[in-house]
Amino acid sequence: SAVISQKPSRDICQRGTSLTIQCQVDSQVTMMFWYRQQPGQSLTLIATANQGSEATYESGFVIDKFPISRPNLTFSTLTVSNMSPEDSSIYLCSVLDRVDGYTFGSGTRLTVV
Amino acid sequence: EDKVVQSPLSLVVHEGDTVTLNCSYEVTNFRSLLWYKQEKKAPTFLFMLTSSGIEKKSGRLSSILDKKELFSILNITATQTGDSAVYLCAVEASGTYKYIFGTGTRLKVLA
Repeated sequence: SAVISQKPSRDICQRGTSLTIQCQVDSQVTMMFWYRQQPGQSLTLIATANQGSEATYESGFVIDKFPISRPNLTFSTLTVSNMSPEDSSIYLCSVLDRVDGYTFGSGTRLTVV
Repeated sequence: EDKVVQSPLSLVVHEGDTVTLNCSYEVTNFRSLLWYKQEKKAPTFLFMLTSSGIEKKSGRLSSILDKKELFSILNITATQTGDSAVYLCAVEASGTYKYIFGTGTRLKVLA
């Protein structure tokens, strides 16, 4: 299965600022997925990032707040914009394998103060 | 609306006990169900289930799917403190490549 490097591992940010999270995959993949896990909650899909096209956002998530880039088949970024304390979460990127299901990056623990 | 429900929400057992975790689902055009173990941030893959009645096994962990009754169970035998984690179930809906995650079961194994 794929190996995903995700960074930063954690960050503490001031409200109103933005943070960009990066994910690098060791193989070419068509789709990458970005998830959020708020404290005590399960994983919620933010968007699906396809190379060469706009990301597809799930209900409740918008591009202005969570812009995503996918410049090639091995890399993607998620930006959390104009942060508020409610954005404090674990953010996870992932890729899908039809045999092993999702492989996740190591996660980014974001705290907004 | 598609949904995945896990039970119990939390569980405390002693080393050596056997536990059974439940995952029930309602999705359109079911394709597959995944089980994950989450200890810190990133969930780690345990099983993928697509067919009813076929048990998947890995060491002390096993899982089975019932597509008629729309649920899956994850069994852990002879639990160890290292099994303490949140166990997540996820179901793919309608061939969308998108998985809906349950809220998880938090398992704590006491020495």
